[in-house]
Amino acid sequence: QQQVKQSPQSLIVQKGGISIINCAYENTAFDYFPWYQQFPGKGPALLIAIRPDVSEKKEGRFTISFNKSAKQFSLHIMDSQPGDSATYFCAASRDSGNTGKLIFGQGTTLQVKP
Amino acid sequence: ETGVTQSPTHLIKTRGQQVTLRCSSQSGHNTVSWYQQALGQGPQFIFQYYREEENGRGNFPPRFSGLQFPNYSSELNVNALELDDSALYLCASSRPSGNTEAFFGQGTRLTVV
Repeated sequence: QQQVKQSPQSLIVQKGGISIINCAYENTAFDYFPWYQQFPGKGPALLIAIRPDVSEKKEGRFTISFNKSAKQFSLHIMDSQPGDSATYFCAASRDSGNTGKLIFGQGTTLQVKP
Repeated sequence: ETGVTQSPTHLIKTRGQQVTLRCSSQSGHNTVSWYQQALGQGPQFIFQYYREEENGRGNFPPRFSGLQFPNYSSELNVNALELDDSALYLCASSRPSGNTEAFFGQGTRLTVV
């Protein structure tokens, strides 16, 4: 059972464009939603995270939009750069405050063309 | 770079053997979580250790076991290795409360032949 569904599986964006990755979840008990970036041969690195008491969070070029009623959240990467080319994972946790127990989406491979 | 370190970085084992993977947590973090990441997939939660006790487990068989030591470092042990155990094994360190984020190590690539 896939509790966090991520789309698209892959994404190609021109340099300077906006990359958008979407995730949908099923369990309304989830209360922590991080996004991780992973480069080949490396572990995932936390990009940005949101809790359901806010609908949007922005850090630099990265924004999470959160829609609690639709049980969806998305990552927007503004002014995408070739260095952003990586695999992105959304995740969710239902153990309030315990950010180590995560359920991950399947991942999105982003390629930013120069 | 996070302060989470894993060893070894790569490992090749034969089916049926046993393997031990190690993880040192980031300073100030007393919780270690282990994940299995198959090629092209998202990480899957194996289990978490807090205060040297297992604190939650994912859908993995008992041949996956772990330990946590007083210095918060941790081991993942896998017995009776199967070909499908080939994956990147990740550990993440965090604190169980206080809204601190989880940081991952670089992983151990296990190949079972």
